[in-house]
Amino acid sequence: DAGITQSPRHKVTETGTPVTLRCHQTENHRYMYWYRQDPGHGLRLIHYSYGVKDTDKGEVSDGYSVSRSKTEDFLLTLESATSSQTSVYFCAIRRQGGTNTEAFFGQGTRLTVV
Amino acid sequence: AQSVSQHNHHVILSEAASLELGCNYSYGGTVNLFWYVQYPGQHLQLLLKYFSGDPLVKGIKGFEAEFIKSKFSFNLRKPSVQWSDTAEYFCAVTPSGGGGNKLTFGTGTQLKVEL
Repeated sequence: DAGITQSPRHKVTETGTPVTLRCHQTENHRYMYWYRQDPGHGLRLIHYSYGVKDTDKGEVSDGYSVSRSKTEDFLLTLESATSSQTSVYFCAIRRQGGTNTEAFFGQGTRLTVV
Repeated sequence: AQSVSQHNHHVILSEAASLELGCNYSYGGTVNLFWYVQYPGQHLQLLLKYFSGDPLVKGIKGFEAEFIKSKFSFNLRKPSVQWSDTAEYFCAVTPSGGGGNKLTFGTGTQLKVEL
């Protein structure tokens, strides 16, 4: 599992409320990613980080923000949740080699916005 | 920016049949390529990877893939599937070199193996 923990694993929230998902790693890897998985769309990158306080947008970043104040934690925030953000969210890490290494995934967070 | 296409969205096979799942990517430079598998209710796990060298790569559980640069393809193969191979399979690409680049996935192929 490469020491990745996502929390919470399941969450139901109401439209318009803020939600924060946490990805925690224990191995000090530099690169961390947030993806969402939806039927017919595969995995789509939301945001990623290449170091503490260094983040960049992915292909579906609207409505999401991230923060990385410590190497081990990468937080994904939905500022005002909408039903279209109902999804399964996966965190991934890659080791120091960057592109020449594979990604390892967390167990996922199933988020339902009602 | 890179992109990945997986043309087979759903595949149904009988046990012992051979498998080939298509993956094509779009990117102007050199790439690293991956196949991941997701069993029902689980997270993604790496099947195999290509960084450089021999274009035929072997992964876990008898899977292999061939990188054909001229065709921008990285098809996944298995000579004889088992019921336990029922899962969703994702191809992924990232530009090689540099660091922290985006890892882009295809839309996935749902494989069902029937007894």
